[in-house]
Amino acid sequence: AQSVTQLDSHVSVSEGTPVLLRCNYSSSYSPSLFWYVQHPNKGLQLLLKYTSAATLVKGINGFEAEFKKSETSFHLTKPSAHMSDAAEYFCVVSSTSNDYKLSFGAGTTVTVRA
Amino acid sequence: EAQVTQNPRYLITVTGKKLTVTCSQNMNHEYMSWYRQDPGLGLRQIYYSMNVEVTDKGDVPEGYKVSRKEKRNFPLILESPSPNQTSLYFCASRRRQGAPEGELFFGEGSRLTVL
Repeated sequence: AQSVTQLDSHVSVSEGTPVLLRCNYSSSYSPSLFWYVQHPNKGLQLLLKYTSAATLVKGINGFEAEFKKSETSFHLTKPSAHMSDAAEYFCVVSSTSNDYKLSFGAGTTVTVRA
Repeated sequence: EAQVTQNPRYLITVTGKKLTVTCSQNMNHEYMSWYRQDPGLGLRQIYYSMNVEVTDKGDVPEGYKVSRKEKRNFPLILESPSPNQTSLYFCASRRRQGAPEGELFFGEGSRLTVL
């Protein structure tokens, strides 16, 4: 079995300050982990993915995430928030078992204040 | 342009009136899937298909049907819609069946309201 917990349902930051979105996962097998972003009235877009290579993963738009097996975490960060980062973010886990089924977190809504 | 296209984007219907939401991808992907998105619940998988004529239930299949007669199309059918199926629906596709690292490509969503 696998599951994802996004620890914050809503995060509010000021423009130019760091963003931290927290994600914990559980998986019986070696997981692949993803972060997707959803802007209003749009589909989901891949930000970055971890697939057992480097534990620090860089994605698009200045985002990065670090895989920490000992903490079963995959937190997403960005050093300086931009107004365009206002969106909903989903942490996703997939494992080599169960037909590579994807399990989605409940999502974190990011608000960026001017 | 690589894309997943869903139609309709918005639909209001009444209880019991059959409807179909179409999904088409132009990337020759083997894997396709339907999700519903509800506030506070993230995305939950309804059905998925690993290839033509191969479909399987996801987490919340009740009240839905799918078919995969062609590689590019994966329609979602609501035979007798009910108000609890009011939701935002996403179709997604991915290359290489069975590969966890393949990126999922999403359509822009279909917002369905059942009165």
